[in-house]
Amino acid sequence: DSGVTQTPKHLITATGQRVTLRCSPRSGDLSVYWYQQSLDQGLQFLIQYYNGEERAKGNILERFSAQQFPDLHSELNLSSLELGDSALYFCASSVGWGSSYEQYFGPGTRLTVT
Amino acid sequence: AQSVTQLDSQVPVFEEAPVELRCNYSSSVSVYLFWYVQYPNQGLQLLLKYLSGSTLVKGINGFEAEFNKSQTSFHLRKPSVHISDTAEYFCAVRNYGGSQGNLIFGKGTKLSVKP
Repeated sequence: DSGVTQTPKHLITATGQRVTLRCSPRSGDLSVYWYQQSLDQGLQFLIQYYNGEERAKGNILERFSAQQFPDLHSELNLSSLELGDSALYFCASSVGWGSSYEQYFGPGTRLTVT
Repeated sequence: AQSVTQLDSQVPVFEEAPVELRCNYSSSVSVYLFWYVQYPNQGLQLLLKYLSGSTLVKGINGFEAEFNKSQTSFHLRKPSVHISDTAEYFCAVRNYGGSQGNLIFGKGTKLSVKP
């Protein structure tokens, strides 16, 4: 158990809908990362937050957005869902925001768009 | 920009045999290197990491990896595998000393250990 929690574990929804994925980092960690794992694209970095502020952006679609709240939990919002958004979404956390800090991964949320 | 190539998408091996999972990376700057394991229906677990120092890194579950700067490789090895090592293995890099901590992953190698 990494100490990172993600809810829900599974999510099934229809095209065009909007969903929110939630992540609670390990106690004491200020940085949160979101990654998407799909069959065709593999594991890709989406976005990073540190102490409530966006720090880095990867291959995140404009239909996707994220935020980190004062209690440090983070939410990833996916809207106008398409079949291709079906994937496993991971959250990771670390103490700091630089590259020397180890990341701990949550168990993931499996999103299925039908 | 960095990239990671895992040369084998699938590696079948018999129990108690040795295994090597290959990883090459491309980067214009120095990097940190990682191997993660993903068991079926689970998240990613760190196996080992290279930050600096000795190029031979030992990790959990009997795995080790060797950093070769001239060949830009970071191959993962285990001298004797078990059925329980069946999983997908990901090689990843991060910028050395960078302000952005995101990982860049390879496509993964599925290790299948047969009895």
